[in-house]
Amino acid sequence: DVVLTQSPLSLPVTLGQPASISCISSHRLVHSDGNTYLSWFQQRPGQSPRRLIYKVSNRDSGVPDRFSGSGSGTDFTLKISRVEAEDAGVYYCMQGTHWPPWTFGQGTKVEV
Amino acid sequence: EVQLVESGGGLVQPGGSLRLSCAASEFTFSSYWMHWVRQAPGKGLVWVARINDDGSSTSYADSVKGRFTISRDNAKNTLYLQMNSLRAEDTAVYYCVRDLTGEDDAYWGQGTLVTVSS
Repeated sequence: DVVLTQSPLSLPVTLGQPASISCISSHRLVHSDGNTYLSWFQQRPGQSPRRLIYKVSNRDSGVPDRFSGSGSGTDFTLKISRVEAEDAGVYYCMQGTHWPPWTFGQGTKVEV
Repeated sequence: EVQLVESGGGLVQPGGSLRLSCAASEFTFSSYWMHWVRQAPGKGLVWVARINDDGSSTSYADSVKGRFTISRDNAKNTLYLQMNSLRAEDTAVYYCVRDLTGEDDAYWGQGTLVTVSS
């Protein structure tokens, strides 16, 4: 199974400052169809998760442009250009290239 | 607005059974793969099972294989998870999710809590 390792696991951030979360995969995540199925999810306290980014760098509808995803192969990053109060929560990377299973990282708690 | 509404959770004894349902609305349910993802209290997200759009193909996490069965009724726009031989470690909030990796939004339900305890 693919293991996704996130760092840091806890990220204190200051309003208006940038933040970055790393996700390292145990296997290259390029699918035979040429796509890389690496997504990022946000879970605010008490809420269901919400997908922010799919296929490494594509923002879902309604996701603010301060969120961006990048990376390739085994190394991926989620960046928040200027943290806002509503960005507090836990962020998970997830791979859907080598399934089953679909696997999630351990989660990174962002504290604003 | 797309809605996924889970139901069927509750308290069950170890070894017992439970069937979760997920009612979908405001999208063409029969066009999407669907997943169940669970989250134990205070823990991270864990994928449980997946079914393709017409129900002909399923996949399971090793931890639930042989005990859980995912199914769907496209005429009723409903996803199911039959859970048998439940264990304490199955205690979690169970979410149904539309297409985790596709280009359309990956909607999540509000979740339903399953507690396995004597």
